[in-house]
Amino acid sequence: NAGVTQTPKFQVLKTGQSMTLQCAQDMNHEYMSWYRQDPGMGLRLIHYSVGAGITDQGEVPNGYNVSRSTTEDFPLRLLSAAPSQTSVYFCASSYGRRIYNEQFFGPGTRLTVL
Amino acid sequence: GNSVTQMEGPVTLSEEAFLTINCTYTATGYPSLFWYVQYPGEGLQLLLKATKADDKGSNKGFEATYRKETTSFHLEKGSVQVSDSAVYFCALSINTNAGKSTFGDGTTLTVKP
Repeated sequence: NAGVTQTPKFQVLKTGQSMTLQCAQDMNHEYMSWYRQDPGMGLRLIHYSVGAGITDQGEVPNGYNVSRSTTEDFPLRLLSAAPSQTSVYFCASSYGRRIYNEQFFGPGTRLTVL
Repeated sequence: GNSVTQMEGPVTLSEEAFLTINCTYTATGYPSLFWYVQYPGEGLQLLLKATKADDKGSNKGFEATYRKETTSFHLEKGSVQVSDSAVYFCALSINTNAGKSTFGDGTTLTVKP
């Protein structure tokens, strides 16, 4: 199993550009989520999904869109990049919504917006 | 609401020293508790977890006990190694929050030879 994969690893954007961060998992996990990690702020939840066709907002959803057309894929779209979106982005998945199930994280995408 | 508070870092220790990283939580219900570790340039990975009061999670020499009376889940290791240098995150997951996880801010540990 590849686990959770993310592409690209690094990306530089100019203000106003759009892009999609890709996330895929091969563990047949129902639950997937996107976090951003900023210095001194831990991980903050952007969007999450409890299954194909179902998504919901997390703590910091503004400026981001998601969709979940398949169990495996959960892309994150930046609509119009802003310097405040400079961050490291992690995708995670877990088996179902049971609270005792741990999350599996991808290696992250480091995004810089100029 | 739900929150996790970790001791502030960074923490610097010599090899073979004893490690404690404090974690306390606030939750509107009965959470599961986790410690994740993030090595440089990588994503987070589960270190250990506990799902009910008085449970002890353990892995790779690390331990943490779920203390409901003090709402704590402190991470300990008796003898740290240079390879333990990483960022450690305490987290909780709770039914009243649709199973979403809440993370602490992370504690950076550096172990010197």
